[in-house]
This record gives sequence, structure tokens and C-alpha cells, in this order.
Amino acid sequence: QQQVKQSPQSLIVQKGGIPIINCAYENTAFDYFPWYQQFPGKGPALLIAIRPDVSEKKEGRFTISFNKSAKQFSLHIMDSQPGDSATYFCAASGWTTDSWGKLQFGAGTQVVVTP
Amino acid sequence: GAVVSQHPSRVICKSGTSVKIECRSLDFQATTMFWYRQFPKKSLMLMATSNEGSKATYEQGVEKDKFLINHASLTLSTLTVTSAHPEDSSFYICSARGTSGKSTDTQYFGPGTRLTVL
Repeated sequence: QQQVKQSPQSLIVQKGGIPIINCAYENTAFDYFPWYQQFPGKGPALLIAIRPDVSEKKEGRFTISFNKSAKQFSLHIMDSQPGDSATYFCAASGWTTDSWGKLQFGAGTQVVVTP
Repeated sequence: GAVVSQHPSRVICKSGTSVKIECRSLDFQATTMFWYRQFPKKSLMLMATSNEGSKATYEQGVEKDKFLINHASLTLSTLTVTSAHPEDSSFYICSARGTSGKSTDTQYFGPGTRLTVL
């Protein structure tokens, strides 16, 4: 059973558009929510991460919005560029006796930014 | 900072042979390393968690005698696929989690190893 649900599976936007990827979780023990970007044939690269004590975090053109009460978080890519075309994974982790901070990944979203 | 390397990047082997993949944290000490497997267009599937100096903990359904993991130092973990068969062909990715200087929750991933078993 996937602990982090991610949507959409794929999306296509034009250059300059704002792709939005959504994730939802159930486990209230989660307290760390990173986003990873992965290009074909490469390992995932940490993009940005947030903890539940803030509702929004920005790093460059990437913004995470976090809604603790709804147990949802999302990634916005501002002014998207063709070079942003990649697969994006949300993840969540929390320290419990059986999790040890292991990351639970969403299914991934393939983003294509057209010129 | 926070660079993780993997070697080799690609390996092709014959069925029945064993293959060793190395994962190194280059600029930080990693008390915990993770090994993942990824199928095409799929998410990352955690195989095992290894803590330096301890036996690895395997996820349900992962054969520990098939996938041997050693984490002998704070900068090196190895995954050995024993008696590899074509169904073991996959993209294997390691990640490392640091001990200090950064959030201990942050996992940094290696570039991955493409294993093809003929």
C-alpha cells in the first residue's frame, strides 16, 4: 500500500507555465517532505524539502506548499523551462521504531515542458 | 557538498555470475545507506537499509541471500547480486544519509547502476 499518493501521473505544459504536482499522505508521524527530480538514466536529485512547521518554502523557481490539516503538499515550478522536463517524486519520512526515517516515495510525475 | 558516487555505472554480466556495486559518500560520513531498485517508468523501491557496522535490514520480499549488503565504513556500502539472472536486470540506486552538519533526514542519491544480465 502506497503511503504517499502522487498526482498527476504526467503533465505537459508550455514554457513559462506552472506545473503543479500534488501529494497526499495519511501517516501523521511523517515530519519531513522532500521532492526529488530525476532525469532518465540518472539518480534522483534533492530539489527542495519542507517540514510541517511551515506552510510554504521557496528555492529559486521551485515552491512547496504544505497543508498539515489536509495532509497534502504540492510542488509548483514557476516559469518552467524545457530543461525542467523530468520525473518528479515526492516523498515523506518520519522517525518511528519501525521506519528509521525511511523515505516513502510517491509514484512519480513525468513533466514535459514544451518550447 | 553531499555527493554520492556509484561504481560501476553500467554492468553487463552472464547469468549465474555475481556482481558487486559500490556506493560511496564522497564528502560526508553516512551512518545509514539505502539501496533501491527502480524499474522503467516506476518509482523507487527500497530494498534494504544498512547502518555502518551492522547487518542490513531488508524489506519484505527481498532475498537477503540474493542481495548481499555490506556497510563496512562510514563512506562505503556495497551491494552484491549473487548468481544473477535476467530478472535481476534493473537500475540500482543507493542513497546515503549523513550524521552531522545537515539534517539527518536528508538522503542524497547516487547516479545509479544499470545492471543487465544476459
